[in-house]
Amino acid sequence: KNEVEQSPQNLTAQEGEFITINCSYSVGISALHWLQQHPGGGIVSLFMLSSGKKKHGRLIATINIQEKHSSLHITASHPRDSAVYICAVSTWGSQGNLIFGKGTKLSVKP
Amino acid sequence: DAGVTQSPTHLIKTRGQQVTLRCSPKSGHDTVSWYQQALGQGPQFIFQYYEEEERQRGNFPDRFSGHQFPNYSSELNVNALLLGDSALYLCASSLQDYGYTFGSGTRLTVV
Repeated sequence: KNEVEQSPQNLTAQEGEFITINCSYSVGISALHWLQQHPGGGIVSLFMLSSGKKKHGRLIATINIQEKHSSLHITASHPRDSAVYICAVSTWGSQGNLIFGKGTKLSVKP
Repeated sequence: DAGVTQSPTHLIKTRGQQVTLRCSPKSGHDTVSWYQQALGQGPQFIFQYYEEEERQRGNFPDRFSGHQFPNYSSELNVNALLLGDSALYLCASSLQDYGYTFGSGTRLTVV
């Protein structure tokens, strides 16, 4: 079993829909990262969380440390949100050794 | 303010050759981490450099080596290339363990 599990693997939505991507992890963490990767391209860091909730524009990320679970929400989705969303965790003293989930491929149709 | 810059963006090499990939960190960052991302997979940690030394290493063979320069930029070297080394190589810079910023990656194809 992977230390970081994401669901769903693939997600298709209509423009305007509310989207949720889930991440569960089995290790003790110092922080959880949500990342966005467009086709063929590099990674953009969206959030780094160690507790609670963060919001940036239409994106909201939450984390429940006790349940070892995080969610990424996208409100009023748009075709430009189409990308792979990756959850990654850093453990105490990890020194760069982020543990990545396999990603969720999101496609938003106009 | 430039983010993380990686070069080259694409590279084709022959099996057995050696390759050097380069990374310039975001301004103000002092730490560089390298990752390998095979097609359809999540990135895998190769190693991290801080203060010009390898601070931690993932499960990669000694064919993978690196260097960090006094200006915090870094190189990843891979010797004796195998077909299985074909991947997207990502560099991320940070201020020690905070504020990871990723580059766009170098797509390496080994033929």
